[in-house]
Amino acid sequence: DAGVIQSPRHEVTEMGQEVTLRCKPISGHNSLFWYRQTMMRGLELLIYFNNNVPIDDSGMPEDRFSAKMPNASFSTLKIQPSEPRDSAVYFCASSSGTGWEQYFGPGTRLTVT
Amino acid sequence: AQSVTQLDSHVSVSEGTPVLLRCNYSSSYSPSLFWYVQHPNKGLQLLLKYTSAATLVKGINGFEAEFKKSETSFHLTKPSAHMSDAAEYFCVVRAYSGNTPLVFGKGTRLSVIA
Repeated sequence: DAGVIQSPRHEVTEMGQEVTLRCKPISGHNSLFWYRQTMMRGLELLIYFNNNVPIDDSGMPEDRFSAKMPNASFSTLKIQPSEPRDSAVYFCASSSGTGWEQYFGPGTRLTVT
Repeated sequence: AQSVTQLDSHVSVSEGTPVLLRCNYSSSYSPSLFWYVQHPNKGLQLLLKYTSAATLVKGINGFEAEFKKSETSFHLTKPSAHMSDAAEYFCVVRAYSGNTPLVFGKGTRLSVIA
């Protein structure tokens, strides 16, 4: 299996621009998670889906952030407009159930200038 | 509520000496526990998991962890550290309530000295 795939691996953008991060979960997994990691705040869960349905988005920092999962093999995390404080590494993870071990992608390093 | 406490934010060992990374948990249910490792600029990788089977769990790269219910601990050990073990390690517990299925500890940074 190819594991969780994320793209792009690196993104540099200017403040105010729209950013879209993409994730392909492991085939057969029905739960998908978006995390953000920074030195200051550590690893934070932003949102997670079960069977393509958002279950909890209480970790999404504000309305500038949105996530979708149109089908079982694809999810996006969008930031519009982006701000310098959004600079972080964003991880996608998937699992075969919401309480089971999660498998992480390599992450997208986002820099907003 | 479920929670984990990693007792050391940073551990430093010499190459070839044993590794001990400490984790205490709190759970209202029979816990499922995990250890993850994150190497610099990489994603998190599952090292091992405990799900109420054998109390001594073996993982990848020679790591193992022992579930001790009486001590509410799930410490990670390795007999002999390698330079490649230098990384951040996260202890994780399954949550049965709240807004997140897994609760991550704050991490322990392991340094290995040559």
